[in-house]
Amino acid sequence: DAKTTQPNSMESNEEEPVHLPCNHSTISGTDYIHWYRQLPSQGPEYVIHGLTSNVNNRMASLAIAEDRKSSTLILHRATLRDAAVYYCILKDSGNTPLVFGKGTRLSVIA
Amino acid sequence: DAGVIQSPRHEVTEMGQEVTLRCKPISGHNSLFWYRQTMMRGLELLIYFNNNVPIDDSGMPEDRFSAKMPNASFSTLKIQPSEPRDSAVYFCASRSSGFTGELFFGEGSRLTVL
Repeated sequence: DAKTTQPNSMESNEEEPVHLPCNHSTISGTDYIHWYRQLPSQGPEYVIHGLTSNVNNRMASLAIAEDRKSSTLILHRATLRDAAVYYCILKDSGNTPLVFGKGTRLSVIA
Repeated sequence: DAGVIQSPRHEVTEMGQEVTLRCKPISGHNSLFWYRQTMMRGLELLIYFNNNVPIDDSGMPEDRFSAKMPNASFSTLKIQPSEPRDSAVYFCASRSSGFTGELFFGEGSRLTVL
């Protein structure tokens, strides 16, 4: 599986935008970029995914570099409920499992 | 939909005892995954099924671990005999087949082996 690199932790002030980076220099042409997050004492939950173009949904935005070797998950206005571990995962188009790395632990300060 | 349902939510047992964890996937989902999470090793894939058939069990740590999916609405993960190092949170997840299928996780079963 292609690997991703994320900072171990990040901190944000409440109501500020948050940019969570992910490097994936060995990404293949058919790999999708998925983001999941895990709130305390819960299972991971889907956030967003994309292939080449930037993506927006009600939770977040995903900005993908033109060469696809990095991406950024953007939370437009962090709330205390966004404090979680965020996982950036590469996955091919087959019916294969998600392989989780260590992710980035986001702390949100009131 | 009720989501992925796991039971028990918490289990405390003694070393050597048999442990059975249960999972009911979301109706209509045909892929099911078992993960284990510890502080040291993070979230690890143990085994996954497509259409009730085990596809890859290379993540199952030892022969003490076994998993079954007798039908589309039920799966079990069994540990026999259990050891303290098996203490972890075990997650079950399901999705529809297809690369865009969002993976839905249950709330997990926290296992403590004394």
